[in-house]
Amino acid sequence: DGGITQSPKYLFRKEGQNVTLSCEQNLNHDAMYWYRQDPGQGLRLIYYSQIVNDFQKGDIAEGYSVSREKKESFPLTVTSAQKNPTAFYLCASSIRPTSYEQYFGPGTRLTVT
Amino acid sequence: KQEVTQIPAALSVPEGENLVLNCSFTDSAIYNLQWFRQDPGKGLTSLLLIQSSQREQTSGRLNASLDKSSGRSTLYIAASQPGDSATYLCAVYSNAGGTSYGKLTFGQGTILTVHP
Repeated sequence: DGGITQSPKYLFRKEGQNVTLSCEQNLNHDAMYWYRQDPGQGLRLIYYSQIVNDFQKGDIAEGYSVSREKKESFPLTVTSAQKNPTAFYLCASSIRPTSYEQYFGPGTRLTVT
Repeated sequence: KQEVTQIPAALSVPEGENLVLNCSFTDSAIYNLQWFRQDPGKGLTSLLLIQSSQREQTSGRLNASLDKSSGRSTLYIAASQPGDSATYLCAVYSNAGGTSYGKLTFGQGTILTVHP
């Protein structure tokens, strides 16, 4: 089956700890994206990557870091510098950076206490 | 900076009713507009996409319209069913500014509940 997988579905961490969210795609897509969703708000772009070994900050990149060492994988690290990390995180991919058609993963709900 | 607003934030209707969800955006220079469905705790499913040159798109009981000049779109759902209960998100694809790539900007969503 082709698609995007995110793991785990639920993640719990103590405040002050870094945590890494996984995103894998087997669609052979060049571009990948991370979004954050808070209750009553739309999705906000954290980081995006147009190609392997390249990534750019989105609208709310502070307190987050990413890597893109492989085409299939775009992990997101939520660092202790992120003031309000509790949220629902969605990963997406598109066949190329200029494509508007993004495919979304099932999401990871992160709770930090 | 593109901003997308959806009204109402929540809507509860009885089964069988026709309903309209509204979406407005501040910059009319868009490539397209999409409507997504999101079930609780899940990812997004694309429902309809309207290119900037189009006025509407239809899929089954769903009809989406676009008035680019006024910065508005509506999603019409006919004969609503309990299975339609979900959050509906509107997103516009427009130039990211300073790059050749576009960017999806999302509204905050409308939570729809259809009760039997």
